[in-house]
Amino acid sequence: SQTIHQWPATLVQPVGSPLSLECTVEGTSNPNLYWYRQAAGRGLQLLFYSVGIGQISSEVPQNLSASRPQDRQFILSSKKLLLSDSGFYLCAWSSLKGGPGELFFGEGSRLTVL
Amino acid sequence: DAKTTQPNSMESNEEEPVHLPCNHSTISGTDYIHWYRQLPSQGPEYVIHGLTSNVNNRMASLAIAEDRKSSTLILHRATLRDAAVYYCILRIGDYKLSFGAGTTVTVRA
Repeated sequence: SQTIHQWPATLVQPVGSPLSLECTVEGTSNPNLYWYRQAAGRGLQLLFYSVGIGQISSEVPQNLSASRPQDRQFILSSKKLLLSDSGFYLCAWSSLKGGPGELFFGEGSRLTVL
Repeated sequence: DAKTTQPNSMESNEEEPVHLPCNHSTISGTDYIHWYRQLPSQGPEYVIHGLTSNVNNRMASLAIAEDRKSSTLILHRATLRDAAVYYCILRIGDYKLSFGAGTTVTVRA
C-alpha cells in the first residue's frame, strides 16, 4: 500500500533562518506531488506541485522554493524565513495516471517563526 | 480557476443525517468534484469524488445536480467523529486541486 511521510512534525525557527521540510512517498511510482500551507484557522493554499523529477510549478510568489531530486521525494525550502511563513505545511500525492486524482496527505509539519 | 462556495458552518445532532451543499457554477465538463475532511491538527482525508453520477461509499454519498453546478455531500448518520472541516473542491485539469475555506461541521451528542 502507498504511504506518505513528512518531517519534521514541528519546528520553531527564528526569522531569517533557513528551512527544509522533506516529504517521501512509498508504494507508488511517478506520483504528482504537492506542497500546501494552512495558516491558523484558514483553508489550504497550494504552494507548489510537481508532475515529475525536476519539474516544479509555483502557485504563489514568495520566499519559498521546492525541489524534487528523486521520483518520490519532495522538499520545501527557504533561505530566510519570514514571520508570515508560520503555518501548517502539508505534503500530498496523487496518481499521475488519468482519472479523478484523489489527494493523499501526509501528517503535516507545523512551523512557527519567531 | 473554477471556484466552489460552501456555508461556513453547519450543526447536526448525533445519529441524524447531514447534508453539506456546495455550489460550483463555473465548473467545466472535465472537472471532478472532490470532497475532503480535516480534523484538527491533521492533514485532510479524502472522502468521495464524482463527475456526473451520484456516488456512494462507506463514508458518505455524493449527490450531483443534473447541470453539475452544485453538489451535496450526505453523511447518513452523523457521529461525533464526523465533526471536522469539510472541503468541496474541483480537480482542474490533470493536476490542480485548490481548497476553499470549507464548512465546519459540529455534531451535538
